[in-house]
Amino acid sequence: RKEVEQDPGPFNVPEGATVAFNCTYSNSASQSFFWYRQDCRKEPKLLMSVYSSGNEDGRFTAQLNRASQYISLLIRDSKLSDSATYLCVVPRGGSQGNLIFGKGTKLSVKP
Amino acid sequence: GAVVSQHPSWVICKSGTSVKIECRSLDFQATTMFWYRQFPKQSLMLMATSNEGSKATYEQGVEKDKFLINHASLTLSTLTVTSAHPEDSSFYICSARARQGGNTEAFFGQGTRLTVV
Repeated sequence: RKEVEQDPGPFNVPEGATVAFNCTYSNSASQSFFWYRQDCRKEPKLLMSVYSSGNEDGRFTAQLNRASQYISLLIRDSKLSDSATYLCVVPRGGSQGNLIFGKGTKLSVKP
Repeated sequence: GAVVSQHPSWVICKSGTSVKIECRSLDFQATTMFWYRQFPKQSLMLMATSNEGSKATYEQGVEKDKFLINHASLTLSTLTVTSAHPEDSSFYICSARARQGGNTEAFFGQGTRLTVV
């Protein structure tokens, strides 16, 4: 299993749709996880952190399943502005370790 | 939130020349900074970990003599691409981790788009 692996995408959804991305990781000792958002030709920006079973922030919900070693990101009521690439990120070697990025899942929300 | 500043934001250079990219943490001290490279339509690939006051740790497959990293202070790390070639054209991004409450979030520079002609 790769260190971090994501749904390949792209996801093309209409406005208002609910969409979910999955991400699997190989290091069972990993304690913290992140979802970053990257707009075209821009640097990644933190969307959500996940330290326990999950986290919710408005329309965004991140869930963690340690037994199966996957993290998911759910976006409800998609907006046009949600169009971006979503990166699953796992620290290597503990919470202070290097951040390893998944290949990203591209989301395109259409009117 | 914490700010990481990267300079230049874009550069075009001739093949065979060297290019230096700076990464500064503006409002926090970063003992460790990370350098990533991103090719079009691909994810960020970690190149190396820059440690203040010591040698950088390079990922497998990254040439340390080609990508020189210097971390002279707690707020500045530099990446020098030596003898650049067209295949080095890429988006280079630095990041530093800062403690925000109980969490350690990574903040990214704006990235440097390098084009070697």
